Amino acid sequence: NAGVMQNPRHLVRRRGQEARLRCSPMKGHSHVYWYRQLPEEGLKFMVYLQKENIIDESGMPKERFSAEFPKEGPSILRIQQVVRGDSAAYFCASSLTPGHYNSPLHFGNGTRLTVT
Amino acid sequence: AQSVTQPDIHITVSEGASLELRCNYSYGATPYLFWYVQSPGQGLQLLLKYFSGDTLVQGIKGFEAEFKRSQSSFNLRKPSVHWSDAAEYFCAVGVEGYGGSQGNLIFGKGTKLSVKP
Repeated sequence: NAGVMQNPRHLVRRRGQEARLRCSPMKGHSHVYWYRQLPEEGLKFMVYLQKENIIDESGMPKERFSAEFPKEGPSILRIQQVVRGDSAAYFCASSLTPGHYNSPLHFGNGTRLTVT
Repeated sequence: AQSVTQPDIHITVSEGASLELRCNYSYGATPYLFWYVQSPGQGLQLLLKYFSGDTLVQGIKGFEAEFKRSQSSFNLRKPSVHWSDAAEYFCAVGVEGYGGSQGNLIFGKGTKLSVKP
């Protein structure tokens, strides 16, 4: 029973390139959350998606960042024209139902993005 | 605004000693409270959670936490620490999101635990 799978584990991009981060939720989970962890910081919520819908993107930067969770395939977090400040660990989590009362979040091992 | 404070950035304890990691929160309503552990290069694993009821909650790996509303605290404890407990520990509060989802978590900055032999 595979957990939340994120790839790649490490991603290096030059300034101005695009970064695409993938997340496959746990089997049977249709709720996906993306978090960002900056060095020496806790995780910050970015976006919450269900299949084909963005439910809450209140934590997403207004520009260059987008997320999707198509009907088929993994959820994708896309960062266009990356800058050094985007260097961070990006974590995906999934849950069986919305929120935590009935089912906790299961986190992947993260993608460490380095912008040179 | 909601916030979570973990006052201790780094704690070192001897193996076999007791442990208490502090967590204070600021949230207007009844909070959903969590403790997660993160080993180096890994994701977060849920240790325990509090929603309501008994204020002393038991988690995995021998951890427990006590919710104290009067102090806005949710401290994590373990009576006897093992070397394998060395990791970073995050306290988090769950907040209402769109459509009533509690999927948004606000995390503290974490406490790194080192264990001396």
